[in-house]
Amino acid sequence: ETGVTQTPRHLVMGMTNKKSLKCEQHLGHNAMYWYKQSAKKPLELMFVYSLEERVENNSVPSRFSPECPNSSHLFLHLHTLQPEDSALYLCASSQGFSTGDIGDIQYFGAGTRLSVL
Amino acid sequence: QKEVEQNSGPLSVPEGAIASLNCTYSDRGSQSFFWYRQYSGKSPELIMSIYSNGDKEDGRFTAQLNKASQYVSLLIRDSQPSDSATYLCAVNHAGGSYIPTFGRGTSLIVHP
Repeated sequence: ETGVTQTPRHLVMGMTNKKSLKCEQHLGHNAMYWYKQSAKKPLELMFVYSLEERVENNSVPSRFSPECPNSSHLFLHLHTLQPEDSALYLCASSQGFSTGDIGDIQYFGAGTRLSVL
Repeated sequence: QKEVEQNSGPLSVPEGAIASLNCTYSDRGSQSFFWYRQYSGKSPELIMSIYSNGDKEDGRFTAQLNKASQYVSLLIRDSQPSDSATYLCAVNHAGGSYIPTFGRGTSLIVHP
């Protein structure tokens, strides 16, 4: 399998549930990202990991908890979400260092469409 | 605050015309520039990258970069209805940052 794989593709959960989103990349990249994209809104960067260390956290509520056990896997643990958290959650990966060329390109997974009831 | 600005559109062009999408950025030292296409409900996919001033052509797509004006554009020649999507401009800033800043995206509609 190649590229960036996200599971599940669709998720419906209640506000009291706990669930996890999974992302796996097969590109040999060192950096992985979580983005949130709500309807009619731009991409919002949530978390960035480089070599399994979190390097950026854009004021994301604590009900979202990322985990990066190795450079190929990234999780987003969800608990006590709100209806406004319903969105498309995208995972991406890149080389993880600035090359000034194609190494900077981000590769996205297909996303998880999350609905919070 | 490093910003990437795009007109949200929608930009509507007839089939066969040239679509011109524009993007400006605030960080003068930015070094890598990307255009991603995102179909409704799908994830972004890279269509063009450009790293030096001038034009870069790939099939029907041409990216143009003018660092002095802090401006990057995407031209789509012979536009097709299948080009209808949101186009995201992304910029990697100076100082070795590999984390891009994305613009809001421009919605393009190509009508038959």
